[in-house]
Amino acid sequence: GAGVSQSPSNKVTEKGKDVELRCDPISGHTALYWYRQSLGQGLEFLIYFQGNSAPDKSGLPSDRFSAERTGGSVSTLTIQRTQQEDSAVYLCASSFDRGRSPLHFGNGTRLTVT
Amino acid sequence: SQQGEEDPQALSIQEGENATMNCSYKTSINNLQWYRQNSGRGLVHLILIRSNEREKHSGRLRVTLDTSKKSSSLLITASRAADTASYFCATDDSGGGADGLTFGKGTHLIIQP
Repeated sequence: GAGVSQSPSNKVTEKGKDVELRCDPISGHTALYWYRQSLGQGLEFLIYFQGNSAPDKSGLPSDRFSAERTGGSVSTLTIQRTQQEDSAVYLCASSFDRGRSPLHFGNGTRLTVT
Repeated sequence: SQQGEEDPQALSIQEGENATMNCSYKTSINNLQWYRQNSGRGLVHLILIRSNEREKHSGRLRVTLDTSKKSSSLLITASRAADTASYFCATDDSGGGADGLTFGKGTHLIIQP
């Protein structure tokens, strides 16, 4: 596709519900990243995929967070039993390969937990 | 962990003036990248400078890198209202870890018309 696509763009959910965020990376990009950005803050690294594998999941804030990537393409980030502190913008990015090429970001999913 | 730290946190200048933002980091790096984020949008890559480079230009952007001081600067010349955005530096460290780029908290730049 033309760019990284994230859906939904906005999500409002009640505390305790599960949410699933989707990321469609640029075709051919092997590396995929999830970041979280709280209001006025920088980006907090969550998880990185090389192909379908996630070598390091230590950035995930708690065991309520999980992510998967299938077919080396689409990725989903799932947050179970959402809490108010999960409210943030979740950004997905992809790159041709890790480290040597720039990241291309989607516009993010703004998650609000009420 | 926070690697890059931008300075200043906020900057307001008149249109036509030059804007300079600085970034400091802590560990050895492979490269350093600058990104721009407009309100409500994702980040857009501006420029990448490798650890063996000292200066790089792209249009009105000039980036310097001083690995001995572990610092970088981004200069935007002849600023325009459309340059209003947050600017982030991001480092790709040499540790080989899988945590992607490490971003700072950004400099919020406001260009006054």
